[in-house]
Amino acid sequence: GENVEQHPSTLSVQEGDSAVIKCTYSDSASNYFPWYKQELGKRPQLIIDIRSNVGEKKDQRIAVTLNKTAKHFSLHITETQPEDSAVYFCAATLLNQGGKLIFGQGTELSVKP
Amino acid sequence: DAGVIQSPRHEVTEMGQEVTLRCKPISGHDYLFWYRQTMMRGLELLIYFNNNVPIDDSGMPEDRFSAKMPNASFSTLKIQPSEPRDSAVYFCASSLSANSPLHFGNGTRLTVT
Repeated sequence: GENVEQHPSTLSVQEGDSAVIKCTYSDSASNYFPWYKQELGKRPQLIIDIRSNVGEKKDQRIAVTLNKTAKHFSLHITETQPEDSAVYFCAATLLNQGGKLIFGQGTELSVKP
Repeated sequence: DAGVIQSPRHEVTEMGQEVTLRCKPISGHDYLFWYRQTMMRGLELLIYFNNNVPIDDSGMPEDRFSAKMPNASFSTLKIQPSEPRDSAVYFCASSLSANSPLHFGNGTRLTVT
């Protein structure tokens, strides 16, 4: 069945450094890959997404890359700030299964000032 | 738009009692999802609907769980009878289409004692 693996589970960086979170998916039919940020006690919120016809997308300090051949995608955060500290989730959706969205296990990012 | 609205925000109940969680999706969104979040299992997809029709309920843990969507603006997730292991945060989310961003509600924190 479909599966999304996310690594690392925890990540600690110094303020100003870059952070990279990686995900792999199992089903080659996946075609939509969103990333969500969840602060403590709050709901997950979309921060960036990418579709299968694009290899890279950037929004200010955040970028996502997609390698369809290898079935993996990554989130890159540059010039990290303490307010970037949160849990980040990757996800993959299967259009041929009616839009089912499966999440990775999450990465707890800690940015130290 | 007020976003996805869930109620109640918190629910504390005793084992064996019936629990009903409620969700109002964003108007015009065709997809509605119910997720459960725990530390151990992350964000699990329980069930999702397209145009009020349940598409995939393979994530529903067992027969004690049921979900309905009687119209485009309302859905319920019911647990009967509830057990301590059902304690979790339950999120409802909606999206415009199969390949579009998910908008989460604020969640219901369920505690079963």
